[in-house]
Amino acid sequence: GAVVSQHPSRVICKSGTSVKIECRSLDFQATTMFWYRQFPKQSLMLMATSNEGSKATYEQGVEKDKFLINHASLTLSTLTVTSAHPEDSSFYICSARAENRENQPQHFGDGTRLSIL
Amino acid sequence: SQQGEEDPQALSIQEGENATMNCSYKTSINNLQWYRQNSGRGLVHLILIRSNEREKHSGRLRVTLDTSKKSSSLLITASRAADTASYFCATEYSGGGADGLTFGKGTHLIIQP
Repeated sequence: GAVVSQHPSRVICKSGTSVKIECRSLDFQATTMFWYRQFPKQSLMLMATSNEGSKATYEQGVEKDKFLINHASLTLSTLTVTSAHPEDSSFYICSARAENRENQPQHFGDGTRLSIL
Repeated sequence: SQQGEEDPQALSIQEGENATMNCSYKTSINNLQWYRQNSGRGLVHLILIRSNEREKHSGRLRVTLDTSKKSSSLLITASRAADTASYFCATEYSGGGADGLTFGKGTHLIIQP
């Protein structure tokens, strides 16, 4: 089946650090990937849609200058949390669809737990 | 924005019993999907039901969809300890484009051995 790999799985760093998270589709091409954030014991919230070769689309309330998204190839999207602060601590998960059309399931990475001290 | 509501928020049953979780949503949809999440991990896709379908089966899973009530249910039959996890419904909006999913709040299921 379609596999999405996310790296790193865990990051602990000091306030003010910028952190990059990678999301790769291993056995398929993904023109579109999605980034979600999940706070403890809560559901997933869509942050942005990452489009290969073009700008990402951000959901309302998500700061695009804070969460930089780059989708430079058909198998890789990156999320950079710039100048991270403790309130950015969360579980970040990416997903992709193996076929970029409707009525197809999304395949999720294993997530990145970000802890800002 | 978060639109789904699931109930119950938490469910604890004995192994072998059936577990039923419900989900409601607000917008028109292309499909509704159920995912499972083990603690601290990513999501595993369980089943996708299209808006023109009413029921779907996959192994011990049975999903129903009632678009008139904007609701869905997930039934896990003959539950096992390994089914312990959080279960989320997610909808794909029918407005077109490559939209991300809108997730419900989830049901935390505990299967007592």
